[in-house]
Amino acid sequence: GENVEQHPSTLSVQEGDSAVIKCTYSDSASNYFPWYKQELGKRPQLIIDIRSNVGEKKDQRIAVTLNKTAKHFSLHITETQPEDSAVYFCAASIIQGAQKLVFGQGTRLTINP
Amino acid sequence: NAGVTQTPKFQVLKTGQSMTLQCAQDMNHEYMSWYRQDPGMGLRLIHYSVGAGITDQGEVPNGYNVSRSTTEDFPLRLLSAAPSQTSVYFCASKKGQGGTEAFFGQGTRLTVV
Repeated sequence: GENVEQHPSTLSVQEGDSAVIKCTYSDSASNYFPWYKQELGKRPQLIIDIRSNVGEKKDQRIAVTLNKTAKHFSLHITETQPEDSAVYFCAASIIQGAQKLVFGQGTRLTINP
Repeated sequence: NAGVTQTPKFQVLKTGQSMTLQCAQDMNHEYMSWYRQDPGMGLRLIHYSVGAGITDQGEVPNGYNVSRSTTEDFPLRLLSAAPSQTSVYFCASKKGQGGTEAFFGQGTRLTVV
């Protein structure tokens, strides 16, 4: 089955700097890659996603890139703000079929003022 | 607009006890799933369902049972609680085909003593 590895497990950046979180997946059939943000004590919520037919997607300060050949995808946050502090999870699934959503281990991002 | 509702929010069980975690959604989503969240291990899939009457195992199904008699409800049963099942449990639902946002419940913090 699918296995998703996420790095780093913790990341600390200065406010205003950029943050990058990387994930690799094992199943070449996976074609949908969402990112979820979980604030302390809250439920995970979708922040951005990408399908395998595109290489990059942006939404304001957040972008995701996908390299299908290398089977890895990354989350980029620019101009970080204190409210970006949270745990971020990447995930992978196959759009057709069983639709299981398999998550990475999570990255705790801390923005230092 | 309730979304995904989990009950209870907190529970303490003694080893060997059984209980059912409830999950209900009002969005007419076909797909529902249960995850457990442990420090450093991300969100691990326990069981999932692609529609009423259909369930399947995820990554960590042992010790848990599920059923899906209606589209709205997807209860998770712990048959004989063990300390290793101490965790935060999340229920999630999404529309049928993959590539859509998963909506999470608020979580159930379970402690087995």
